[in-house]
Amino acid sequence: QKEVEQNSGPLSVPEGAIASLNCTYSDRGSQSFFWYRQYSGKSPELIMFIYSNGDKEDGRFTAQLNKASQYVSLLIRDSQPSDSATYLCAGTPGGTSYGKLTFGQGTILTVHP
Amino acid sequence: GAVVSQHPSWVICKSGTSVKIECRSLDFQATTMFWYRQFPKQSLMLMATSNEGSKATYEQGVEKDKFLINHASLTLSTLTVTSAHPEDSSFYICSALSQGYGYEQYFGPGTRLTVT
Repeated sequence: QKEVEQNSGPLSVPEGAIASLNCTYSDRGSQSFFWYRQYSGKSPELIMFIYSNGDKEDGRFTAQLNKASQYVSLLIRDSQPSDSATYLCAGTPGGTSYGKLTFGQGTILTVHP
Repeated sequence: GAVVSQHPSWVICKSGTSVKIECRSLDFQATTMFWYRQFPKQSLMLMATSNEGSKATYEQGVEKDKFLINHASLTLSTLTVTSAHPEDSSFYICSALSQGYGYEQYFGPGTRLTVT
């Protein structure tokens, strides 16, 4: 079982809709979680991080963390074609030094006009 | 956000030669940097953790004698791919660890290595 798993894609939503990206993790010791966006041929770009249960909002993005269910999600409101990319969920493994991340396999999001 | 640069952005080399990739944190000091490799349509694979002033910690299965890492200052880490082979062709990405509250990683733009 992979430590961080993302819902299989690709995910396609119409422009203006809400895109929902999901991630589960197996390590209960994981403390912090990160969402990165990666455009084709480019390196990942940090969107948000979350370490407390509940919601965290930043502009059109909302990250949700539920430690009891070991579940992390990212909602993108008013999706735009420019949001089309691969979204990577990552967590910090428990018991290791700060900063080391375990990545999920990524979910490809396509926002069509 | 924090800025991390990498040089070169792409490189082509012949089999058997060595290639050095530089990773710099431009506006913050990074005691810890990470090196990743990414093959097409795959996620990032952590190769090693680079700590300033100490030896790098390599992930299982990564040959430390082939992928030499040096973190000589708080803003610079280098990865040298020695005796490169075609199977080493990949997208190499570094990241620098922010000392902010979230301990978030900021990625460099990546280096595309092609070994012929």
